[in-house]
Amino acid sequence: NAGVTQTPKFQVLKTGQSMTLQCAQDMNHEYMSWYRQDPGMGLRLIHYSVGAGITDQGEVPNGYNVSRSTTEDFPLRLLSAAPSQTSVYFCASRVQGATEKLFFGSGTQLSVL
Amino acid sequence: SQKIEQNSEALNIQEGKTATLTCNYTNYSPAYLQWYRQDPGRGPVFLLLIRENEKEKRKERLKVTFDTTLKQSLFHITASQPADSATYLCASFTGGGNKLTFGTGTQLKVEL
Repeated sequence: NAGVTQTPKFQVLKTGQSMTLQCAQDMNHEYMSWYRQDPGMGLRLIHYSVGAGITDQGEVPNGYNVSRSTTEDFPLRLLSAAPSQTSVYFCASRVQGATEKLFFGSGTQLSVL
Repeated sequence: SQKIEQNSEALNIQEGKTATLTCNYTNYSPAYLQWYRQDPGRGPVFLLLIRENEKEKRKERLKVTFDTTLKQSLFHITASQPADSATYLCASFTGGGNKLTFGTGTQLKVEL
């Protein structure tokens, strides 16, 4: 049971490049989400999904796209990377239900030069 | 706007003492709060959830309280150990239960 798996662990991009951060979970969780973590700002929600085919915006969605074609996968796309998107990105999942705990991946450290 | 806040100043305590971390919320009334632990380079790990009507919740050396009058939750670690050194995050749901909002976290360092 791998839990929540994120790839890659580290990535360096140039301004304007695009890339996809991968997230997969093997716990059959309906809910999946993406956070970014910056010093002094804490974890901020980017996008979330409550099931395949359903996505919604979080607190800081601009510059990011998501899709949910399967229960297992929830990729995060940066369309045109900007230095302001330099951050650590975490994917998290849980069983649907407001009191349920989140399971986090180990994170992707992204630098945009 | 709804806010959940933690003391950003690191907390240093001696081994064996009780560590107390604070989480304050403003402009809303969460039905429950969650606490997570985060080690450097890792994702947060869930520790405890407390509901607004529970006042206090315990798990081994951990204790969480929820005071709806003060709009505050306290997180206690008794008999602290160096292995308890980490950043502790509180979180609550906003936006209809689908958006878990985190505080900025408090870094705890337990010294020998």
